[in-house]
Amino acid sequence: QVQLVQSGAEVKKPGASVRVSCKASGYTFTDYSIHWVRQAPGEGLEWMGRINPHSGGTNYSQKFQGRVTMTRDRSISTAYIDLTRLRSDDTAIYYCCLLGGQFNWGQGTLVSVSS
Amino acid sequence: DIQMTQSPSSLSASVGDRVTITCRASQGISNFVAWFQQKPGEAPKSLIYAASHLLSGVPSTFSGSGSGTDFTLTISSLQPEDFATYYCQQYTSYPHTFGQGTKLEIK
Repeated sequence: QVQLVQSGAEVKKPGASVRVSCKASGYTFTDYSIHWVRQAPGEGLEWMGRINPHSGGTNYSQKFQGRVTMTRDRSISTAYIDLTRLRSDDTAIYYCCLLGGQFNWGQGTLVSVSS
Repeated sequence: DIQMTQSPSSLSASVGDRVTITCRASQGISNFVAWFQQKPGEAPKSLIYAASHLLSGVPSTFSGSGSGTDFTLTISSLQPEDFATYYCQQYTSYPHTFGQGTKLEIK
């Protein structure tokens, strides 16, 4: 069955960077784009961007342009999101998900940013 | 960016009730709308894509409709496990914006 398994929780200081991984299984990794969505405490869902695992092509929300990079390693069916220059309002649960063809979500990764 | 406006933001209903949640797009988006359910402490779950296509495993009490700018998610007979927050999302253009969510609570 399709599964997306994310890396564990992270605690970072303001100004630092974070990388969250998302390991896919149960389907052909290059068939579907992987999207990243985040959710701040008590807030709604916010789409951050997506990566095409086949080509590596990306589309980012303008809000995160310049701070976010999405990459993938096809050899291990894993996608990554890097977020730099972290601020306290980046504290959120970060999800990877499939939003076409397959419609599965990872379990989420809590990133806490605090001095 | 395309704005997705959901209403209501919260809703109280009873088991067995029929409820409808609406989502309005700021411009025409054909049928490129998905709906999601999220329970506290859990990851979202995808319910519907292309406005009206129910995903495998989703109860038939859920249905979606709409095209252009106006979309609805209907639950025909609420079950205890349906009390959750629901989100719509457009995926016709980037960024793939979400609605602000509708919290469905037990009356």
